[in-house]
Amino acid sequence: EVQLVESGGGLVQPGGSLRLSCVASGFTFSSYAMHWVRQAPGKGLAYVSGISSNGGSTYYVDSVKGRFTISRDNSKNTLYLQMGSLRAEDMAVYYCARAHYGSGSIHYFDYWGQGKMVTVSS
Amino acid sequence: DIQMTQSPSSLSASVGDRVTITCRASQSLSSYLNWYQEKPGKAPKLLIYAASSLQSGVPSRFSGSGSGTHFTLTISSLQPEDFATYYCQQSYSSSWTFGQGTKVEIK
Repeated sequence: EVQLVESGGGLVQPGGSLRLSCVASGFTFSSYAMHWVRQAPGKGLAYVSGISSNGGSTYYVDSVKGRFTISRDNSKNTLYLQMGSLRAEDMAVYYCARAHYGSGSIHYFDYWGQGKMVTVSS
Repeated sequence: DIQMTQSPSSLSASVGDRVTITCRASQSLSSYLNWYQEKPGKAPKLLIYAASSLQSGVPSRFSGSGSGTHFTLTISSLQPEDFATYYCQQSYSSSWTFGQGTKVEIK
């Protein structure tokens, strides 16, 4: 059974840092690209960042570029999101998601974690 | 970046109703459009990928159609467990943009 379990959320002051982790099980982690998606309170889903299966390629939405860093440790089946210079607008539930890459651009997120809340407040 | 616009933002419907949600893209996506269902406190769930392909395990009352810039998600006969928020997502570009969501509520 595929499982994605996030950890590391919590309360942080504006300008602070936090690292999220996502431990994967039930599949060959090193074969899949992984992504982070967030949902601010009362808002919709918003894509944050993604990383290729070997970690060689990364992507960030403009609003987090230079502040967030995505990485992975395939030996530990773990995905990370290092978040810095946190702002009130970064407050959200953060989900990790596994990406299925098919032919062409037939790509989709087929498994998601349960999410972890990040609260940015003084 | 590709912008995704869903309509309506919310709707009220009864069990057994046919429900249609629309998603429009700011540029052509070919058929690279996914639909997800989200319920409070739960992880989002993939329903439809590549505009019209039903994800394994998803009931056949869900269907997707469209191509280019106009897509629809249809629930043929709404069931109690279908009251949720639905999102479209483009996979044409690496920005993976989501629509703003459509909340389906009980009438």
